[in-house]
Formats: sequence, structure tokens, C-alpha cells
Amino acid sequence: EIVMTQSPATLSVSPGERATVSCRASQSVSTNLAWYQQKPGQPPRVLIYDVSTRATGFPARFSGSGSGTEFTLTISSLQSEDFAVYYCQQYTAWPLTFGGGTKVEIK
Amino acid sequence: EVQLLESGGGLVQPGESLRLSCAASGFTFSSAVMGWVRQAPGKGLEWVSDISSTGDATFYVDSVRGRFTVSRDNSKNTLNLQMNNLRAEDTALYYCAKRMRSTGGSYDSWGQGTLVTVSS
Repeated sequence: EIVMTQSPATLSVSPGERATVSCRASQSVSTNLAWYQQKPGQPPRVLIYDVSTRATGFPARFSGSGSGTEFTLTISSLQSEDFAVYYCQQYTAWPLTFGGGTKVEIK
Repeated sequence: EVQLLESGGGLVQPGESLRLSCAASGFTFSSAVMGWVRQAPGKGLEWVSDISSTGDATFYVDSVRGRFTVSRDNSKNTLNLQMNNLRAEDTALYYCAKRMRSTGGSYDSWGQGTLVTVSS
């Protein structure tokens, strides 16, 4: 099983500031890495897939990068609607696995 | 518009069974890899199971293998999850989700979830 480790667990950021979330895989997942955004009471939404492709509906302030085992989600200038929990997920091999999540909260 | 509507959740006692269903619309269901992802109250996401577009290949997380069975009816655009011998640790919101590509990919559409509570 590929273990996905996210950090930090909680990120306190002021609106307008930059937020960076890290995700590390226990072995290479190639480019089979996605990020999901989840707001309270809602299902997750895919935000980034294939490491760096932004999903429909998300603005350019969201970006993903990395390769192999180290990945990063960056939100360049946090807006109020971006405060949520973010999960990374690898889909290179079953069992599919998620990171533990990063809660981005208002500082 | 893709729609996934789960049903079948409820309160059961340990050892009992439950069958979840997911009604799909808005896309070619018979071409899509489908899956189930769960989320325990206040916790993160856990992948549970996937099924190939034809239903001939199924995949499970170790903790449910042998107790859960995923299936699909492409004639009815329905995904199912038969859950037997339920345990307290199976308590979660169960999401039905569609994978982006016929070969896999991320989950690009999710239902609202159906809540399963296992408690005596």
C-alpha cells in the first residue's frame, strides 16, 4: 500500500496570503496524483488532477506541482471561499489512498 | 450534468448487513470506472472499493475485503455495495464516485453520500 502523508495538518493563513500544502508518497506515484477540496457538509471536489491540471471551475490561484513522491498544492492568494480541507490522493495503484487532510483555516 | 444519488444507508447492529445503491445519470455509465469512498464522522477520506466499467474487475481496501461486495447494473445505471458483517468501524458517510477516465484517474464526480451507522 502507498502511504500518503500530508503536512501540515492545519494551516492558519490570512486572506490574501499564500498557502502551501505538502503531500509525500511512500513510493513513486508517477503523475497519478490529485488534490480535492472539501467544505463542511459537502462531498469532496477534485481540484487538481495529474499533479498539475486544474479542474473545471477552479481559478488560476490554485496550482499543483511535484513528481514521483513529493507534491505541493499552492494557493497563491487565499480568498474567503478557499478555507476548507484539502486532501491529496494517489491513483497509480490499488488500494487507492488519500492523505490525512490539511485544514486551511482563517488566521 | 453528472448526478450520483446514493441510498440505502441507515442504523444497523454489528454483524448485520446493508446494501447501498448509487443511481447515476448524465454520463455513459457503462464506460465509467466507479468507486466507493467513505468518511467516518470528523475524519478523513478512505477509499473502499472500485469496479471496472464492465464489472469484471473489482478492488477493495483490506479492511472490507471478504465482507463487502461491489457490483453494478449497466442496464439500470446503478452501482451497489453489499456490506455484510458490519462493524462499528464501518460507521461512515459513504460516497459513490466516478473516476475520470475509462482507465482510471481521479474521482471527478461525487454523490452527496449516504450515512451508515453501526451500533448496538
